Amino acid sequence: DAKTTQPTSMDCAEGRAANLPCNHSTISGNEYVYWYRQIHSQGPQYIIHGLKNNETNEMASLIITEDRKSSTLILPHATLRDTAVYYCIVRVMGNTGNQFYFGTGTSLTVIP
Amino acid sequence: EAQVTQNPRYLITVTGKKLTVTCSQNMNHEYMSWYRQDPGLGLRQIYYSMNVEVTDKGDVPEGYKVSRKEKRNFPLILESPSPNQTSLYFCASSFISSGNEQFFGPGTRLTVL
Repeated sequence: DAKTTQPTSMDCAEGRAANLPCNHSTISGNEYVYWYRQIHSQGPQYIIHGLKNNETNEMASLIITEDRKSSTLILPHATLRDTAVYYCIVRVMGNTGNQFYFGTGTSLTVIP
Repeated sequence: EAQVTQNPRYLITVTGKKLTVTCSQNMNHEYMSWYRQDPGLGLRQIYYSMNVEVTDKGDVPEGYKVSRKEKRNFPLILESPSPNQTSLYFCASSFISSGNEQFFGPGTRLTVL
């Protein structure tokens, strides 16, 4: 079973905030949520991660619901260069270390 | 320049012919990992390594082997490739203490005929 579910695609007007949702209803208490993005078939690029508190960095904000069953990645002022596939990921503790489960991604198109 | 390198970038091979995809990082990262990416399935983790001589299975390890004899290198071995291993492969590395922010290589596109 997928650990995360995301909408397949979204559009956003340039300059507006892009809000990308992710459901991770089976997440456990010590499992982190990560977001990466991928442009074309390049290697994914880290955006942000969090456990239970909201997080913000120079790229984005991550809002995690209190029950931790879902989260939202916010790109505050989307630009054309933000057009990419955005992956929501859950990090779990494997036998010897950290395992990462990617969702199928949301293709974000920023429209001029 | 800090980077993760993969070789080869493109490979076409035939069923059953053993191959190795190399991965090397110059950032002194403890954690390294391999992923495969297939249309509609996102990225799936094959193997990961927390440090030298410590490797473990990810979500889809069948048909793959790895080794971690040196900190900088983490080769992916396909002993007997099959057509269902045709995919785009990514290697990634990170520090564990910094929150496991992974840096990804450029990818290796493998076709098994």
